[in-house]
Amino acid sequence: EPEVTQTPSHQVTQMGQEVILRCVPISNHLYFYWYRQILGQKVEFLVSFYNNEISEKSEIFDDQFSVERPDGSNFTLKIRSTKLEDSAMYFCASSEAGGPRELFFGEGSRLTVL
Amino acid sequence: QKEVEQNSGPLSVPEGAIASLNCTYSDRGSQSFFWYRQYSGKSPELIMSIYSNGDKEDGRFTAQLNKASQYVSLLIRDSQPSDSATYLCAVRLRGNNRLAFGKGNQVVVIP
Repeated sequence: EPEVTQTPSHQVTQMGQEVILRCVPISNHLYFYWYRQILGQKVEFLVSFYNNEISEKSEIFDDQFSVERPDGSNFTLKIRSTKLEDSAMYFCASSEAGGPRELFFGEGSRLTVL
Repeated sequence: QKEVEQNSGPLSVPEGAIASLNCTYSDRGSQSFFWYRQYSGKSPELIMSIYSNGDKEDGRFTAQLNKASQYVSLLIRDSQPSDSATYLCAVRLRGNNRLAFGKGNQVVVIP
């Protein structure tokens, strides 16, 4: 069964460092998303991406965040200068174009900022 | 008002019983509704989707939607210990690509 894959599964970084989280969405999906979940809190939307551009972003997705689809398969989230409060599980998701658009999530990348 | 609300606390049910979970949403124009299951430390896993008023059954799961009351529910019949997880209600808001999630309801099935 097709699945969304994410790397790394866990990354530990120092505050102020740049981090790149990688995702390979399901191959025939056209919408891509990043969500995050701080420990014990709800799943929060960060950004959606369609047709090589951001289609929607939340107030969390400030200038420290960026997304990119560098090739035909990868979808990346970059955090330029990490803060302690960026520590969370980051989930990539993808969905088909059109219709109700069920989201399918990857296993997540746990980011720990020290 | 929160976009998606799941207010009840942890739910403990005996094995074999029915677990009932509720969710309300704020945007009356929302059209797509989902239930995800999330095991501790894992990612959300889609278990049910529902788009029109009424009931939708899939195995031991039944989703119920009432758009007039802006209310979605999930019933888990014949609860099993493997159903112990947090259940997330998600709504696709009108005019948006994203899903808005509730905070989730933890279900504990007691053998």
